[in-house]
Amino acid sequence: DAKTTQPPSMDCAEGRAANLPCNHSTISGNEYVYWYRQIHSQGPQYIIHGLKNNETNEMASLIITEDRKSSTLILPHATLRDTAVYYCIVRGPGNKLVFGAGTILRVKS
Amino acid sequence: GAVVSQHPSWVICKSGTSVKIECRSLDFQATTMFWYRQFPKQSLMLMATSNEGSKATYEQGVEKDKFLINHASLTLSTLTVTSAHPEDSSFYICSARWGGGGSYNEQFFGPGTRLTVL
Repeated sequence: DAKTTQPPSMDCAEGRAANLPCNHSTISGNEYVYWYRQIHSQGPQYIIHGLKNNETNEMASLIITEDRKSSTLILPHATLRDTAVYYCIVRGPGNKLVFGAGTILRVKS
Repeated sequence: GAVVSQHPSWVICKSGTSVKIECRSLDFQATTMFWYRQFPKQSLMLMATSNEGSKATYEQGVEKDKFLINHASLTLSTLTVTSAHPEDSSFYICSARWGGGGSYNEQFFGPGTRLTVL
């Protein structure tokens, strides 16, 4: 599976949109982009995944560039509870989820 | 999303004893289950993958005789840490996924088990 690159940390003001970038320049055609987050001392929580079209659910939006080499996770109105480590993972069909270092998002009041 | 539970949520044991951790998918049938380990301030590291009724596949560097995995049913997998030592102290997290080998389905994670070996 392709590797991903994320910034180590980001800050966001409460109530503002949090935009978390992810680079996956070696992604192949059948690999999806997944986003998970992990709040301190808890198991990871699934957020969203997509192939090439933009996706939206009740938690977030996922914007994937046309060449699929990068994506952005958008939390539209960040709250203090969104403070967590966010993981961007590229996975092929049936393959394992392999976690990188992720981005520490700090939402501040 | 689907719910995955783990038991116990935390355990303290003496060095040399064995500890069993249970992982259950509560509202779906988990074709595949995964076990991860996470040390403080580090990311999750995949230990092994198991399919129901089959032997687990271990990642490189993970001792299969030390970390025994049993995936006896579509809703239950167990991880037994045998002859635990202080260096095995960690946060153990299981994950479950439904669907076959070509699945893009999302994996759901349990809340984790904090193991402390004295």
